[in-house]
Amino acid sequence: SQQGEEDPQALSIQEGENATMNCSYKTSINNLQWYRQNSGRGLVHLILIRSNEREKHSGRLRVTLDTSKKSSSLLITASRAADTASYFCATEGATDSWGKLQFGAGTQVVVTP
Amino acid sequence: GAVVSQHPSWVICKSGTSVKIECRSLDFQATTMFWYRQFPKQSLMLMATSNEGSKATYEQGVEKDKFLINHASLTLSTLTVTSAHPEDSSFYICSAVGGGYGYTFGSGTRLTVV
Repeated sequence: SQQGEEDPQALSIQEGENATMNCSYKTSINNLQWYRQNSGRGLVHLILIRSNEREKHSGRLRVTLDTSKKSSSLLITASRAADTASYFCATEGATDSWGKLQFGAGTQVVVTP
Repeated sequence: GAVVSQHPSWVICKSGTSVKIECRSLDFQATTMFWYRQFPKQSLMLMATSNEGSKATYEQGVEKDKFLINHASLTLSTLTVTSAHPEDSSFYICSAVGGGYGYTFGSGTRLTVV
């Protein structure tokens, strides 16, 4: 079953704008990860944030984690047309085997030039 | 970095036939592999966990006799969709963990049953 929800379900922005999407989950976690998926393709791992971390940066990506609210956000700054994709959060539960992930519903991002 | 090769990338088969999908870790040994299913515009649903040399663990609601998983070596896991029907049409993705590389996903297989 899916771990949680993401919002918005879809996001349409122009190049140069920032894109923010949120993820909520239900159980205790070891870590939370964000993935990107181009249409009909596999997943690309973007960033992992551990349960004892609150914020992490990687290039134009910024991820926050609030374990008290069981939520995370992904910010993409200065978006580009090439950022058009679906973005998924995934959690590794505290009681799950390593590598077993539960995915959120995803946010479809469209960046127009 | 770690690479997981998944084949075929797409397959069309007739209803009632079986289809085998392979997932290989190319440069590391994967002690565990996971199989996911994804319907159009939806999220990934975990189907089963595959450990080398042992029986796969299936998630609730996944028919083990329909989706046969074999993890015969540390670099190969296979998913066989038996007696496929149109409702089995989906995108199947594997992931492998091991070798200290963390989470590595295959590129997926688009199965269409006609």
